[in-house]
Amino acid sequence: QVQLVESGGGVVQPGRSLRLSCAASGFTFSSFGMHWVRQAPGKGLEWVAFISYDGTNKFYADSVKGRFTFSRDNSKNTLYLQINSLRSEDTAVYYCAKDRVPAASIYGLDVWGQGTAVTVSS
Amino acid sequence: DIQVTQSPSSLSASVGDRVTLTCRASESISTFLNWYQQKPGKAPKLLIYDASNLQSGVPSRFSGSGSGTDFTLTISSLQPEDFATYYCQQSYTISWTFGQGTKVEIK
Repeated sequence: QVQLVESGGGVVQPGRSLRLSCAASGFTFSSFGMHWVRQAPGKGLEWVAFISYDGTNKFYADSVKGRFTFSRDNSKNTLYLQINSLRSEDTAVYYCAKDRVPAASIYGLDVWGQGTAVTVSS
Repeated sequence: DIQVTQSPSSLSASVGDRVTLTCRASESISTFLNWYQQKPGKAPKLLIYDASNLQSGVPSRFSGSGSGTDFTLTISSLQPEDFATYYCQQSYTISWTFGQGTKVEIK
């Protein structure tokens, strides 16, 4: 079945780095744009980053621009989110999610992973 | 950036009630508005895309409407499994902004 599985979360000190991964299966991964969305404890959803189906276009929320890098390896059906200079406000559950329509990011995110928790604390 | 505001922030309702949630965008977003349901400890689930289209597998008691800046999500007859938090999201611009959510609680 269509599935996304995140990994790489954990407890990290402020200023350190972390790399999250998202393994995809059950669909033609290389045809779909992908997103990261995060949710701080007790808060709402915040869109974080997008990568196009072929990795050529990437967009970031202002709150993470310059610190987060989104990449993908279509040969491994895997996404990566490199997070540098971690701050306390980056503490959240990070979800990867799939565009509903191939090569079109306007019709919702139809598959989500279970999330991986990142806690930034000294 | 386009802001998306949901109202109310929470509501209490009974099983069988008709419930309407509202989402307002800070500028026109045509029909590029999606609705999600999230239960505690779970990932969000897509309910409605492009303002009024029901995602596959979602019960027909859910419906969406609106265009421009004002949108609604209606649950025609609230069921026990519908108690959750609902988020709207604009996909008109690259920031893909989410609303702050409406929590639907049991009365």
